[in-house]
Amino acid sequence: ILNVEQSPQSLHVQEGDSTNFTCSFPSSNFYALHWYRWETAKSPEALFVMTLNGDEKKKGRISATLNTKEGYSYLYIKGSQPEDSATYLCATQGSGNTPLVFGKGTRLSVIA
Amino acid sequence: DTEVTQTPKHLVMGMTNKKSLKCEQHMGHRAMYWYKQKAKKPPELMFVYSYEKLSINESVPSRFSPECPNSSLLNLHLHALQPEDSALYLCASSPNFNEQFFGPGTRLTVL
Repeated sequence: ILNVEQSPQSLHVQEGDSTNFTCSFPSSNFYALHWYRWETAKSPEALFVMTLNGDEKKKGRISATLNTKEGYSYLYIKGSQPEDSATYLCATQGSGNTPLVFGKGTRLSVIA
Repeated sequence: DTEVTQTPKHLVMGMTNKKSLKCEQHMGHRAMYWYKQKAKKPPELMFVYSYEKLSINESVPSRFSPECPNSSLLNLHLHALQPEDSALYLCASSPNFNEQFFGPGTRLTVL
């Protein structure tokens, strides 16, 4: 994997469903993995920063895991709500405070 | 004040115009960034300022000229742009060159 790849590109779920999506990234020279939530017409909002293999972070109904050896991270949303509708971006960062490299995002729509 | 602000929210300009985008943060962050994002593409890094000095220029054409007058302010001066430069321009700041705080962006249209 040369770039940061996110799947699926878009996702529609019913309110109350749980869902997850994937971020894949090159595992070489890895320092950190960032997840952002980006609602339309607003600023991207930082959700998690993870650095260690096996890291798990949780914020309310949203959680994320990290596997640096195989180069992927999962974002989970439990009991999706309409206000969860947004684009979820992941970005990787190499060692030495290098700039973030973003994926294209997963666009989530939660239908009431 | 814990946010990054950007002005204007929308900008329409002709190819011969000169305009500027402004980004401001009062969180004491020492790194500031400009990104360009086109529809259905990831944000692409343009410039990084570290302690008010340009540290990264990702081979951006000279029609985009960044400026960091002080630690709270980052400008992007635009001159002789092309229609393909139409995009969302995002500014971000970071306290530690790691986690980044984004502004809402300026939606630029070049006619």
